[in-house]
Amino acid sequence: GENVEQHPSTLSVQEGDSAVIKCTYSDSASNYFPWYKQELGKRPQLIIDIRSNVGEKKDQRIAVTLNKTAKHFSLHITETQPEDSAVYFCAASPGSSNTGKLIFGQGTTLQVKP
Amino acid sequence: SAVISQKPSRDICQRGTSLTIQCQVDSQVTMMFWYRQQPGQSLTLIATANQGSEATYESGFVIDKFPISRPNLTFSTLTVSNMSPEDSSIYLCSVQVRGARTEAFFGQGTRLTVV
Repeated sequence: GENVEQHPSTLSVQEGDSAVIKCTYSDSASNYFPWYKQELGKRPQLIIDIRSNVGEKKDQRIAVTLNKTAKHFSLHITETQPEDSAVYFCAASPGSSNTGKLIFGQGTTLQVKP
Repeated sequence: SAVISQKPSRDICQRGTSLTIQCQVDSQVTMMFWYRQQPGQSLTLIATANQGSEATYESGFVIDKFPISRPNLTFSTLTVSNMSPEDSSIYLCSVQVRGARTEAFFGQGTRLTVV
């Protein structure tokens, strides 16, 4: 089945710097890759996603890149702000049908220092 | 979007007992998913709940321990049976809504502590 690996487990940056989180997946049939942000005590919230027919997607300060050949995808946050501090999870939808079933990476705790 | 309500939001239970968690969605959905999030960990898929058929469990999870019901297209329950302290986790239900932006939404979670 699908396996998702995420690095790093923790990331500390200065406010205004960029942050990059990387994930790899194993199921070559997967075609949907969302990123979730989870603040302490809250539910995961989708921040950006990408499908396999696209190599890059951007939404303001957040971007995601996908390399289907290498089976890895990355989250890029530019001009980080203290409110970006949270746990970030990458995920992959196994198989090609994108049913809503998700396999998650281990998570990255991002700390943005003012 | 989807509004997902989970009950209870938290509970403290004695070992050996069972707890049933409810998940209500404000729209009809084909599949509902149950996840476990152990303290400080990621989300692990427990099972997929389909209306009108038995749930499909992921490796490491069994029906006797986590029985699931799915009586209609807007509701599901997850029971954590014969609980032990190792079952202390946050349990979340999730649904996918297809629309302008297809995405998976999560309930607020049920924080379970087994003592």
